[in-house]
Amino acid sequence: QSVLTQPPSASGTPGQRVTISCSGSSSNIGFNTVNWYQQLPGAAPKLLIYRNDRRPSGVPDRFSGSKSGTSASLAIGGLQSEDEADYYCAVWDDSLNGPKWVFGGGTKLTVL
Amino acid sequence: EVQLVESGGGLVQPGGSLRLSCAASGFTFSRYDMNWVRQAPGKGLEWVASITGSGTNIYYADSVKGRFAISRDNARNSLNLQLSSLRAEDSALYYCARSWGLDLGDYWGQGTLVTVSS
Repeated sequence: QSVLTQPPSASGTPGQRVTISCSGSSSNIGFNTVNWYQQLPGAAPKLLIYRNDRRPSGVPDRFSGSKSGTSASLAIGGLQSEDEADYYCAVWDDSLNGPKWVFGGGTKLTVL
Repeated sequence: EVQLVESGGGLVQPGGSLRLSCAASGFTFSRYDMNWVRQAPGKGLEWVASITGSGTNIYYADSVKGRFAISRDNARNSLNLQLSSLRAEDSALYYCARSWGLDLGDYWGQGTLVTVSS
């Protein structure tokens, strides 16, 4: 079971806006910034959002991130067929058991 | 252009060892923390280990602590992961990924596949 909780699946039709949540705790999301990744089938993960809401160069502004308390969200506006992929959140966890990176279990986005 | 190229994967028997490498180019390697992240077939991403730019600080996931060892050679722009006492559940595609502070994975390699089976 992942330290960060994501819904296993999400879906939407082209043009719609979809939101994917990522729930954590005070030692991870509540304390540090969140990263989001897109993994297309058969490909390596790609950084989509860093520091909660910043987009790397080349990532369309249809993708946006936010954080509140111990939860974070990834929003995809104007959904396109090529957005069909797995999405993961990740954050540094300052756990008393030892600091570590933690990932969400991933959300499979289907474009209907 | 930043490039990360993993190598060293393969088929190994349970209890065996393997050494993975990640060749980095296109950036000042010693300035960046480096990480190994793995993905079992059909499963999600799992962080394995991290090492700071100077190599001073090293962190491991509980699942690999005491069995895996991460290291780097800044003179050769190389990141390594020594895998020992391998188990079936270590079978996965192993990615190396660059990070800067709390920004993990702005660049990823294509991965090297490790299969632990008799």
